[in-house]
Amino acid sequence: QQPVQSPQAVILREGEDAVINCSSSKALYSVHWYRQKHGEAPVFLMILLKGGEQKGHEKISASFNEKKQQSSLYLTASQLSYSGTYFCGTEPGSQGNLIFGKGTKLSVKP
Amino acid sequence: DTAVSQTPKYLVTQMGNDKSIKCEQNLGHDTMYWYKQDSKKFLKIMFSYNNKELIINETVPNRFSPKSPDKAHLNLHINSLELGDSAVYFCASSYQRLAGAANEQFFGPGTRLTVL
Repeated sequence: QQPVQSPQAVILREGEDAVINCSSSKALYSVHWYRQKHGEAPVFLMILLKGGEQKGHEKISASFNEKKQQSSLYLTASQLSYSGTYFCGTEPGSQGNLIFGKGTKLSVKP
Repeated sequence: DTAVSQTPKYLVTQMGNDKSIKCEQNLGHDTMYWYKQDSKKFLKIMFSYNNKELIINETVPNRFSPKSPDKAHLNLHINSLELGDSAVYFCASSYQRLAGAANEQFFGPGTRLTVL
């Protein structure tokens, strides 16, 4: 039931792009994305509700393919501040709790 | 400041003891959560609670119990602490989910529990 994230870790140079994937074996009601920096609490990035929905915030965007039960997070022209662990959280139904993937550790180097 | 706060930030205790972690939110949210993050950074839901409903993750031992004196507080009480309980515990809150919607969760700073 736990969503699977890939890759587990990625190292980028400033300005490079990255894609983080999240897939589930269950039909999904929504997908949430959070970023956690070392020693800090997870911070909300975005929620995707409808199949095919895409959302973006500055240079971070995400898509949700409801049929494939997958979501992808796109980081464009990465900045040092993007470093952290990215978690996708899935809601398998309209009721119930958020289930997080194991996270993807992103390191952006100068 | 509006936020989700937790106390204490660090908690070191002996096996077998009973301890509580407190959580307060002043965001006006009506749903609160407890998560456990282990040493491998796996973030796992333990409970979600609003005035009407407690949803318990079935894998959580009954030594763990949430207690909510009011809508702004959700405390976590742990009995007979074990070594495996060592982790960072995060409290979070959100608005109650309405049909067709989903709400972001705001996390507290975490409580690092170490059981010796």
